[in-house]
Amino acid sequence: DTAVSQTPKYLVTQMGNDKSIKCEQNLGHDTMYWYKQDSKKFLKIMFSYNNKELIINETVPNRFSPKSPDKAHLNLHINSLELGDSAVYFCASSKGLAGGVDIQYFGAGTRLSVL
Amino acid sequence: GIQVEQSPPDLILQEGANSTLRCNFSDSVNNLQWFHQNPWGQLINLFYIPSGTKQNGRLSATTVATERYSLLYISSSQTTDSGVYFCAVAPGGATNKLIFGTGTLLAVQP
Repeated sequence: DTAVSQTPKYLVTQMGNDKSIKCEQNLGHDTMYWYKQDSKKFLKIMFSYNNKELIINETVPNRFSPKSPDKAHLNLHINSLELGDSAVYFCASSKGLAGGVDIQYFGAGTRLSVL
Repeated sequence: GIQVEQSPPDLILQEGANSTLRCNFSDSVNNLQWFHQNPWGQLINLFYIPSGTKQNGRLSATTVATERYSLLYISSSQTTDSGVYFCAVAPGGATNKLIFGTGTLLAVQP
């Protein structure tokens, strides 16, 4: 069983479209994250949810809206896609023990290409 | 915010060689993880090591928290070790967001 799974693995779409990426974890973790990896391989956090509550919201355009229906799922919806949104998006999860042992486990990534 | 610098940025090795990758960070941290991103893009956990030394097979890591650096040692490198190695830290505080370094691109040649 894959611990952190994302779908789809690849997403090719036109500018202006709306798309969603889904993430699920079966590790029993309380905290989930979205990271973005740009074309230069730089990885940056976007959002984090703990038990369905938003706890980290970096400077991300409001076209990006995360949704956590339960603590095992964190989806990312992107409106009005732009060329600059092309990247690899990674979902991650951890127990969420701030200040304690808190290992983050990553999904396989979703490669988004906006044409 | 905290700065995370990795060196060297690129490294080419012959199979069987040893190497040391370095990660410097500018402030105290709660969490430090090393990852290997393989050529297929998957991020693989190598070590959770905010302090101390750990070993796993041919890989080992040491973090000296008081001096704000971590080292990843790869011994007897294999072609499957190729990829990008990232160090990521979580600054002290209530959240666990990881700040990633810029990575070391390793190519192991047969």
